[in-house]
Amino acid sequence: QTVVTQEPAFSVSPGGTVTLTCGLNSGSVSTSYYPSWYQQTPGQAPRTLICNTNTRSSGVPDRFSGSILGNKAALTITGAQADDECDYYCVLYMGSGLWVFGGGTKLTVL
Amino acid sequence: QLQLQESGPGLVKPSETLSLTCTVSGGSISSSTHFWGWIRQPPGKGLEWIGSISYSGSTYYNPSLKSRVTISVDTSKNQFSLKVSSVTAADTAVYHCARQDFYSYDMDVWGTGTTVTV
Repeated sequence: QTVVTQEPAFSVSPGGTVTLTCGLNSGSVSTSYYPSWYQQTPGQAPRTLICNTNTRSSGVPDRFSGSILGNKAALTITGAQADDECDYYCVLYMGSGLWVFGGGTKLTVL
Repeated sequence: QLQLQESGPGLVKPSETLSLTCTVSGGSISSSTHFWGWIRQPPGKGLEWIGSISYSGSTYYNPSLKSRVTISVDTSKNQFSLKVSSVTAADTAVYHCARQDFYSYDMDVWGTGTTVTV
């Protein structure tokens, strides 16, 4: 069974930089998985941040960037702000019409 | 601007069938460059992809739910629907519909979500 892994929690200082990762329980993540990233605040629908590994969605500040780091997809937030404190999810497209979400990372800014 | 809105009963009894509809406004569901999907989030837990449908009616389901899930599309009403049969308390969640891009495979427009309690 395919499991997409994310750090359960992460913390960053205001103004700091943090990199969240998205991996596979077996194998490496590449651009062929079209990794995408979503931001979710409590009680709200997810907001698309990054699609296709590194393309920012409309209106997303350039503090958010996506990449492949080693064998994982990565979301880097630079200049962290208080309202960046929320949950972040990655999704991988496994092919054949199958998508898998990661378990999400709860980001704390303190 | 494309908008998606989920609708359906907020309370379903165990063993019955959960039925939800997503109404698409501001654009056509008959787009050949998009899928239309359902995602859910149990209370306090993460997001789970349930399944998707293409404009032509091809369906794709999460293997863990495939035996209980049916997604269909009604192009005349610009809607697509979700049915989950034999529900249990584990199906209690906020259910979101979303548009998925055919080329980048992301969920680029989301509905606000509707809470279903079993």
